[in-house]
Amino acid sequence: DVVMTQSPLSLPVTLGQPASISCRSSQSLLHSDGNTYLSWFQQRPGQSPRRLIYKVSNRDSRVPDRFSGSGSGSDFTLKISRVEAEDVAVYYCMQGTHWPSLTFGGGTKVEIK
Amino acid sequence: QVQLVESGGDLVKPGGSLRLSCAASGFRFSDHFMTWIRQPPGKGLEWISYISSSGDIIYHADSVKDRFTISRDNDKKSLYLQMNSLRVEDTAVYYCANVAGSSIDYWGQGTLVTVSS
Repeated sequence: DVVMTQSPLSLPVTLGQPASISCRSSQSLLHSDGNTYLSWFQQRPGQSPRRLIYKVSNRDSRVPDRFSGSGSGSDFTLKISRVEAEDVAVYYCMQGTHWPSLTFGGGTKVEIK
Repeated sequence: QVQLVESGGDLVKPGGSLRLSCAASGFRFSDHFMTWIRQPPGKGLEWISYISSSGDIIYHADSVKDRFTISRDNDKKSLYLQMNSLRVEDTAVYYCANVAGSSIDYWGQGTLVTVSS
């Protein structure tokens, strides 16, 4: 089974400063169809998760452009260019390449310093 | 707009059973794979089951295999999770979600299952 490892576990950030979260997979997430099925989700306190990014770098509609995803193979990054108060949340990466399992990373908690 | 509304969560004793339901609206339910994902209190997300659009392909995670069964009724636009032989470690919020492009588009609000004596 694919293991997804996120770091750091906790990320204290000053408002207006950038933040970066790493996600590594135990196997390459490049699918035989040429796509890489790596998604990022945000879960605010007391809410359900919502998707921010799919296929590594495609931002969902209504997601602010301060969020961006990058990476390839087994190494991926979610960046927030300037953290705002509403970005306080736990962020999860998820792989969808290696079915039948959908595997999540352990989560990274972003908080304000 | 897309809505997924779970129901059926409850307090149940170890060894007991429960059936969760998820009512879908705002999209063509019969076109989508659907999935259940759970989250123990204060912990991360765990995928547990998914079902193809027609219901002919089903997978369960090893942690729930042989105890949980996913099913769907496309006429009723509903997804179900039959949970048997429940254990304390099955305590979690259970989310219904739709699968699109090997990712998850939308999540429900979740329903809490508590397994305790």
